[in-house]
Amino acid sequence: AQTVTQSQPEMSVQEAETVTLSCTYDTSESDYYLFWYKQPPSRQMILVIRQEAYKQQNATENRFSVNFQKAAKSFSLKISDSQLGDAAMYFCAYRIKETSGSRLTFGEGTQLTVNP
Amino acid sequence: SAVISQKPSRDICQRGTSLTIQCQVDSQVTMMFWYRQQPGQSLTLIATANQGSEATYESGFVIDKFPISRPNLTFSTLTVSNMSPEDSSIYLCSAYLADYNEQFFGPGTRLTVL
Repeated sequence: AQTVTQSQPEMSVQEAETVTLSCTYDTSESDYYLFWYKQPPSRQMILVIRQEAYKQQNATENRFSVNFQKAAKSFSLKISDSQLGDAAMYFCAYRIKETSGSRLTFGEGTQLTVNP
Repeated sequence: SAVISQKPSRDICQRGTSLTIQCQVDSQVTMMFWYRQQPGQSLTLIATANQGSEATYESGFVIDKFPISRPNLTFSTLTVSNMSPEDSSIYLCSAYLADYNEQFFGPGTRLTVL
């Protein structure tokens, strides 16, 4: 079974600074997707960034980037130039690569606080 | 992207009653999912609902407690039956859109059972 682990229940960062959220996972599959989702107090799950396992290049979306280490099964999220609106719960998630889509397995979450 | 709506957005219910949560997608989708998020915790998959077939339940969740309907390609319901305070959670539906290769989530239903 696949598992996703986030070892940082809470993190804080100063506005405009950089923060890195950690995630490790376990799987026997060779091809899969990894995601970071953001859940603000509104409860809406928002996809932040996606990484395909077969791609060696780390994904980047504006101020958000990942450090994907496939051999180590590590998938960290770096937020640069942190903004107050980045404050939220962040979930790391895993999905097997299937053409018809499949279930997401989530980590425990990291609560990010951004201090002005 | 997809727009997914859920009704109700929140409810307070009495022990022993049942609540049906509706999930509407603005696109036709094959796979829909129902998740539970207990207070301060992560999302746990309850079941996968494919149109035209019985829902597939995850370990620890049973059809008698969480019956699901999937009458067409844009709609699904989840019923929480014979509720107890332990059922107080946020319930989220999601849909997989193949064109985006992504799951989109509804805004969630916050359920409180007294």
